[in-house]
Amino acid sequence: IAGITQAPTSQILAAGRRMTLRCTQDMRHNAMYWYRQDLGLGLRLIHYSNTAGTTGKGEVPDGYSVSRANTDDFPLTLASAVPSQTSVYFCASSGKTSGADTQYFGPGTRLTVL
Amino acid sequence: GQSLEQPSEVTAVEGAIVQINCTYQTSGFYGLSWYQQHDGGAPTFLSYNALDGLEETGRFSSFLSRSDSYGYLLLQELQMKDSASYFCAVRVNSGYALNFGKGTSLLVTP
Repeated sequence: IAGITQAPTSQILAAGRRMTLRCTQDMRHNAMYWYRQDLGLGLRLIHYSNTAGTTGKGEVPDGYSVSRANTDDFPLTLASAVPSQTSVYFCASSGKTSGADTQYFGPGTRLTVL
Repeated sequence: GQSLEQPSEVTAVEGAIVQINCTYQTSGFYGLSWYQQHDGGAPTFLSYNALDGLEETGRFSSFLSRSDSYGYLLLQELQMKDSASYFCAVRVNSGYALNFGKGTSLLVTP
């Protein structure tokens, strides 16, 4: 089934620990994105990648890093987690056929940093 | 800077029509999109306007006025399952990233 998968579904993490959220898409979309969603703040862009091998910073990139080694995978790493990074994280992708404005979202990862 | 404004909450009765407005202030503009998100779920794409006017997709329509930096999502024949959050989003450059509003929580009552 085509789409985006994210792992883990949820995670409780101790502050200071390193964590990588995984995102994989099988739609051969060129662009991928990471958002965080907090109550009352909507979706905020963390990092994006317009094509494999390139990445860019979004609105709230501090404390996060990404890589795009291939078309399908776009992992998000928290090098040293802090409680303010408690959030729901969504990965998304878009392709040239459907257009940049049609983004397909994964099911999300609920992260709690204690 | 960039900002999108939309009402935080809207309540409407089943079978009615509701309009969710979105105003934006951006340094560039390539199009306005709308997404729906049910509690605990992933956002899903609803519609997109790049040019002025109305786009209709079934019970949902979206409108854009570029000169007024304004758009709206119109939901007709409301159903209980339409209770969800609705986000407007703008693409401000030729790249791919979107900027989302904070969302409007729509409650449909019997």
